[in-house]
Amino acid sequence: ETGVTQTPRHLVMGMTNKKSLKCEQHLGHNAMYWYKQSAKKPLELMFVYNFKEQTENNSVPSRFSPECPNSSHLFLHLHTLQPEDSALYLCASSQDAGTSGYPSYEQYFGPGTRLTVT
Amino acid sequence: AQSVSQHNHHVILSEAASLELGCNYSYGGTVNLFWYVQYPGQHLQLLLKYFSGDPLVKGIKGFEAEFIKSKFSFNLRKPSVQWSDTAEYFCAALSGGSYIPTFGRGTSLIVHP
Repeated sequence: ETGVTQTPRHLVMGMTNKKSLKCEQHLGHNAMYWYKQSAKKPLELMFVYNFKEQTENNSVPSRFSPECPNSSHLFLHLHTLQPEDSALYLCASSQDAGTSGYPSYEQYFGPGTRLTVT
Repeated sequence: AQSVSQHNHHVILSEAASLELGCNYSYGGTVNLFWYVQYPGQHLQLLLKYFSGDPLVKGIKGFEAEFIKSKFSFNLRKPSVQWSDTAEYFCAALSGGSYIPTFGRGTSLIVHP
């Protein structure tokens, strides 16, 4: 049990579909992340939220839309994706200093959602 | 911008061989360093980390890494690998004051029994 769960674990969608990926962390962390992991490519940071505020958007196409309703939940809304968007999407969380004053900074990852766009 | 380089993309070893995976970072100030591991079909997890103090850091499963500031390096080592060490290994760095790490592109390790 990693403390970070992701659903669904596998997703196949057509290019015209709309779907959402969900991430939940049970660790009390204040920062959450979306990464894209493609075969033979480096881990790509997509979005970062800290205390529910988006602090990083690494030039991600608008067909990916993140949502962070609270510090424990993170969503990635997908629409009109392309086949090259097929990848493993990882969610992670970490504890920044924030108000606690005791950061750990190490990232805790979920198992990922294997996305296939047809 | 900070960068992290892992020069060995693919490493193939036989069991009991010694392992050293290279990691170099570009940031010149205070830095926190990590090695993560991703076993086949499993999630990325922390192997070890360096924040301060003894530059030789010991992690889980017999792994260790040495922080050499003058070389901007944080190489991962294990004296005798096992088949179960087959995995993808990622080095990551945090520059002082940031909580968002920069990851290297990963090294795929295959250990033959």
